[in-house]
Amino acid sequence: DADVTQTPRNRITKTGKRIMLECSQTKGHDRMYWYRQDPGLGLRLIYYSFDVKDINKGEISDGYSVSRQAQAKFSLSLESAIPNQTALYFCATNSGGTDTQYFGPGTRLTVL
Amino acid sequence: RKEVEQDPGPFNVPEGATVAFNCTYSNSASQSFFWYRQDCRKEPKLLMSVYSSGNEDGRFTAQLNRASQYISLLIRDSKLSDSATYLCVVNSGYSTLTFGKGTMLLVSP
Repeated sequence: DADVTQTPRNRITKTGKRIMLECSQTKGHDRMYWYRQDPGLGLRLIYYSFDVKDINKGEISDGYSVSRQAQAKFSLSLESAIPNQTALYFCATNSGGTDTQYFGPGTRLTVL
Repeated sequence: RKEVEQDPGPFNVPEGATVAFNCTYSNSASQSFFWYRQDCRKEPKLLMSVYSSGNEDGRFTAQLNRASQYISLLIRDSKLSDSATYLCVVNSGYSTLTFGKGTMLLVSP
């Protein structure tokens, strides 16, 4: 089984809808991250969490919110989706002792 | 804003060729450096960490020049399976990572 899983893997939705992307990990890592990737722009950090009670904004947090329900789970929400949030979304984890991050398989989100 | 700059490519090389990628970073406080590999529409995967003294992993050699703030990756004896996008990654000083936009490598028969 994969160490970092994301659901759904693909999602098509309409403008204005609320969407939740979920991430779970079995690596036992404290730190979890949400990124989006757009063609030509690379990976950009949306939010990150160093433990269950810690939430931090990343480079592009506007329009997004997160919830760290447990050490193993980190959810990303789009309260009111808009077309420019169409992107590939990745969750990642790492332990506190290293900067190496391990990525989930990604969620491809399309907002019409 | 802390930046990591890479040539986007693509680098088109035949099998067996040696190819080198460079990247530059702007955050002089960065302490951790990596090369990640990303296949089309897949997640990034760690290729190798980059150490100050340089390090090698099979056909891959990574170098770090702190004074000039650049990182390199050398791939020897390229294989078709090396075709991918290579991401230069630097820590941002807040236990987060900054990713370059990637360099695309295409290895042809």
